[in-house]
Amino acid sequence: AQSVTQLGSHVSVSEGALVLLRCNYSSSVPPYLFWYVQYPNQGLQLLLKYTSAATLVKGINGFEAEFKKSETSFHLTKPSAHMSDAAEYFCAVRATSGTYKYIFGTGTRLKVLA
Amino acid sequence: DAGVIQSPRHEVTEMGQEVTLRCKPISGHDYLFWYRQTMMRGLELLIYFNNNVPIDDSGMPEDRFSAKMPNASFSTLKIQPSEPRDSAVYFCASSYVGPNQPQHFGDGTRLSIL
Repeated sequence: AQSVTQLGSHVSVSEGALVLLRCNYSSSVPPYLFWYVQYPNQGLQLLLKYTSAATLVKGINGFEAEFKKSETSFHLTKPSAHMSDAAEYFCAVRATSGTYKYIFGTGTRLKVLA
Repeated sequence: DAGVIQSPRHEVTEMGQEVTLRCKPISGHDYLFWYRQTMMRGLELLIYFNNNVPIDDSGMPEDRFSAKMPNASFSTLKIQPSEPRDSAVYFCASSYVGPNQPQHFGDGTRLSIL
C-alpha cells in the first residue's frame, strides 16, 4: 500500500532562510506526488505536483520539490522564507490502482520568525 | 473558474440536532471527496464518490453519518444525531479521474456541536 511520511510536525525558520520540508513515500510503482498548503481557516491549495516529466518540480510562491527515487523522497524547498509562508504543508500521494484515493501525510506546520 | 463551493461556512448547533453540509464540486470533475479535520486526528477521509457512486465509505465514523451525491453537481454530508465529538472542519474536494490529477478543496465548514 502506498503511504507518505512527513518528518517534523513543526518547523521554524527565520525570514530569508531556506525552507526544507521533508516527505518520504512508500510505493512499489511510480508514485504521483503532491504538495498542498493550508493557510488558517482555508482549504488545502495545490502547491505543486510530480508527474514523472521532470524530477525537479516548480510550484507556486517560489516553492519547488525534487523527486529522488533512490531516497524515496519528495522534499519541498524554498530558497528564502517569507512571513506569508507560515502555514501547514501536506504531502500526498494518489493511489494508482483500484481506488484513486489520496493518502495525505500528517502535515508540517511552518513558522517563519522575523 | 468557480472552485469547490461548500455551505454553510460555519455551523453551530446543539447536540442531538441534524446537521447537513453541502458541496458543489467543480464542473466536470469525476471524483468527490469528504474529509474531516481536527487537531487530534488531522485530516481524515470520510467517503468518496466516482461519477456520483460511493466508492469507499470506510472512513465514515458511524451510522450517524451519511453522504449522498444525487447528481454530478451536488453532494451532502449529514450527521444525525450530532454529538460534541463531531465538532471539526469538514472539507469537500473534487478531482478529475487519473492518478496525476490533483484535488481541489473547498474552504470547509467549521462545525461546532454544543
